[in-house]
Amino acid sequence: EAGVTQSPTHLIKTRGQQATLRCSPISGHTSVYWYQQALGLGLQFLLWYDEGEERNRGNFPPRFSGRQFPNYSSELNVNALELEDSALYLCASSLVTRYSGNTIYFGEGSWLTVV
Amino acid sequence: AQKVTQAQTEISVVEKEDVTLDCVYETRDTTYYLFWYKQPPSGELVFLIRRNSFDEQNEISGRYSWNFQKSTSSFNFTITASQVVDSAVYFCALSLVNTGNQFYFGTGTSLTVIP
Repeated sequence: EAGVTQSPTHLIKTRGQQATLRCSPISGHTSVYWYQQALGLGLQFLLWYDEGEERNRGNFPPRFSGRQFPNYSSELNVNALELEDSALYLCASSLVTRYSGNTIYFGEGSWLTVV
Repeated sequence: AQKVTQAQTEISVVEKEDVTLDCVYETRDTTYYLFWYKQPPSGELVFLIRRNSFDEQNEISGRYSWNFQKSTSSFNFTITASQVVDSAVYFCALSLVNTGNQFYFGTGTSLTVIP
């Protein structure tokens, strides 16, 4: 069974541009989570989608946005890129969240470099 | 407020030594789940273990063992006879029942096993 898949693996953008990262959850998972991991820092929670709706949002500016599609895949958009947005962006998925405590499984991440 | 603390930022051990990674959590909830993840240099977080707050039995899986103590709000992870392949960043996480499946991660402990 395929795990969480993310694309692209690497992305290089110029400051001020927009970046779009994509994530496909494990089959049967309806929740998708996005995390940012900047160099030397821990995991910073970005967004959590469950069955198409945004359930929670971390302490990030509005230029970080996303959505979840009917097939539960998700997109993370970062507008007006800044140098400090350079990071590893990790997507994770889990089963339906009404059964809380479900394990979240991570993808391999997308490395975003802003120059 | 919920919080997970991994006080050890970096640990180095010589191969075959035992090493314990500490995790202390804070929550007022009585029902919660605790997790450990491993992040090798490749970037993907790998799920290691999940425990619920009602199960304080220690668990052993090969060279890995976990000690859960509610009295001290700790969920420590021990690697016995460490190997170079154990070199990674290890994250402890907390999930609360009343928040659906919101995860709270510690800042991680970087383990280096020296051959």
